[in-house]
Amino acid sequence: AQSVTQLGSHVSVSEGALVLLRCNYSSSVPPYLFWYVQYPNQGLQLLLKYTSAATLVKGINGFEAEFKKSETSFHLTKPSAHMSDAAEYFCAVSGSGGYQKVTFGTGTKLQVIP
Amino acid sequence: DTAVSQTPKYLVTQMGNDKSIKCEQNLGHDTMYWYKQDSKKFLKIMFSYNNKELIINETVPNRFSPKSPDKAHLNLHINSLELGDSAVYFCASSQESYEQYFGPGTRLTVT
Repeated sequence: AQSVTQLGSHVSVSEGALVLLRCNYSSSVPPYLFWYVQYPNQGLQLLLKYTSAATLVKGINGFEAEFKKSETSFHLTKPSAHMSDAAEYFCAVSGSGGYQKVTFGTGTKLQVIP
Repeated sequence: DTAVSQTPKYLVTQMGNDKSIKCEQNLGHDTMYWYKQDSKKFLKIMFSYNNKELIINETVPNRFSPKSPDKAHLNLHINSLELGDSAVYFCASSQESYEQYFGPGTRLTVT
């Protein structure tokens, strides 16, 4: 069994400020973890993924996330928000190896204030 | 080249009609999915096929019937459409448990 909890359905930050989107997971097996971004009227696009290699994962557009097993967290950060970062962000978890079901979080809408 | 494509992009239809959405991926992936995204952006998996075999069938009305003619295609047929079926439907593909590649979505509006 697995689940994902994204804290905060809406997050607002000022342009240039730190972006922090929270994700906690639950998994009975070693997890793979993902962050996806969805821009308006588009499909989801992978930002970054953790697949049991380095715990600090760097993704596209300056985003990164750190896998913390002790805290069962995989929070997404970006040092300086851009207006173009405004979008919906989804955290997802799956088991590792072979085919495993992926479970998505409920999403966090990021608003960037000029 | 579009990795995962869906047709149509928009679909407006009346209650009771039957409609189909088509999906194709050119990534060589062995697994394909259908998701439903509601107006609150909640993403719910409906079906998953691995090498043309159904491996996930979530609690979805049997009015929804997926069909995978080959590994690169996964279509979704919906019978007797209802107002509550209005949503954005996304097709996706992946290789095993790795990242999923999503199509652009089909916005279905039932009137």
